[in-house]
Formats: sequence, C-alpha cells, structure tokens
Amino acid sequence: AQSVTQPDIHITVSEGASLELRCNYSYGATPYLFWYVQSPGQGLQLLLKYFSGDTLVQGIKGFEAEFKRSQSSFNLRKPSVHWSDAAEYFCAVFTGGGNKLTFGTGTQLKVEL
Amino acid sequence: NAGVTQTPKFQVLKTGQSMTLQCAQDMNHEYMSWYRQDPGMGLRLIHYSVGAGITDQGEVPNGYNVSRSTTEDFPLRLLSAAPSQTSVYFCASQRGANSPLHFGNGTRLTVT
Repeated sequence: AQSVTQPDIHITVSEGASLELRCNYSYGATPYLFWYVQSPGQGLQLLLKYFSGDTLVQGIKGFEAEFKRSQSSFNLRKPSVHWSDAAEYFCAVFTGGGNKLTFGTGTQLKVEL
Repeated sequence: NAGVTQTPKFQVLKTGQSMTLQCAQDMNHEYMSWYRQDPGMGLRLIHYSVGAGITDQGEVPNGYNVSRSTTEDFPLRLLSAAPSQTSVYFCASQRGANSPLHFGNGTRLTVT
C-alpha cells in the first residue's frame, strides 16, 4: 500500500529565512503528488500539485516543490518565509482507484519574527 | 462562492448518541469524501463517493455511515458515538479522481 512520510513534525524558521519541508512517498509507479496547507481552525488549502512533466512545480504564496523519482521525494520549498506562512503542511499522494488520497502526518511550521 | 460547507462547526455528544454531520458543495463536483484528523495521524479517509448513489469505504469506516442522494450533499452519520470518535472531521469535494480536494472548514466533535 502507498504511504507518505513527513519526517519533521515541527520546524521553526526565522522570518526571511529559506524553508524546506520534506516528503517521501512509497509507491511503485509515478504518483500524483500534492502539498496542502492548513491554517488554525481552517480546512486544508491546495498549495501545489505534480502530475507529470516538469519536476519543479510552482504553487501559490511563493511555494515550489521538486519531484525526485530517484529519492521518492516531493519536498516543499520557499526562498523567504513570511510570518503568515506559520501553519501545518501536509503532503499527499494519489495512486488511483476511487478516491484514495493518502496524507502524511503533517509538519507544523513556526515562524519566528 | 460558498465552496464546501460543513455544519455544525462544533458538537459535543454523549457516548451512545447519534448525529449527522452535514456537508454540502455548490461546485457540481462528482467526488466527495469525509476525513477525520487526529493529532500525529494526519487525515484519514472515512468514506467517499464518486457520484450520487455511489459510496465506498475508506481507511477508517467503522462506526460511520454515509449516503449520497444528490450531487450536492454528502452527510456523515454516527450511529452510536464513542469517545474514540472525538476528532475533527473534514468534508471535501473534487471534480475528478486525481483533482485537488476542496475542503470545508471542519467540524470539531467531542464525545464524552
């Protein structure tokens, strides 16, 4: 069965610093990959997605992610973090068959001013 | 644009009580799903539907029932609430199987 691992439960960065959130997946073929963000008390919002083609994908709010097949990874990056980026981030993988989207356990981002 | 609307926002139940969490979407999406979110466990799929009249079980379906009589609505029923069902519940819709999910703002349920 497919799985998604987000190894960092909590990350703290200073405002203006760069950010990388890690995501690894387990699946035999190329999956569809997503990053979602959840602000406190809110539902999840899509940041970006990868289906095929260019392995570097751009998303909203200045985020990007790079798909690396050899490492089974889909890490999320942002060059300069803003205080409003403090939230929880979820990586998810869709591998087909009905509506089977598997989420990672999330990474909580704290931004220090 | 309402998107996905969930009601209620908060609910407290006693063990053994039943209730229905409501979910409605106005985007004419065929796919709808229910997730529960628990600390350290991410989101886990409870039930999903690929169209009116069609539902299927997800990863953690026990204790929950769903039906999909219209494209817009996808209610989640707890037949006999248990403390293990204390969680935050999210409803989501999507246009197709691999399309991005559109989430509601969640229902925080506490079972005492």
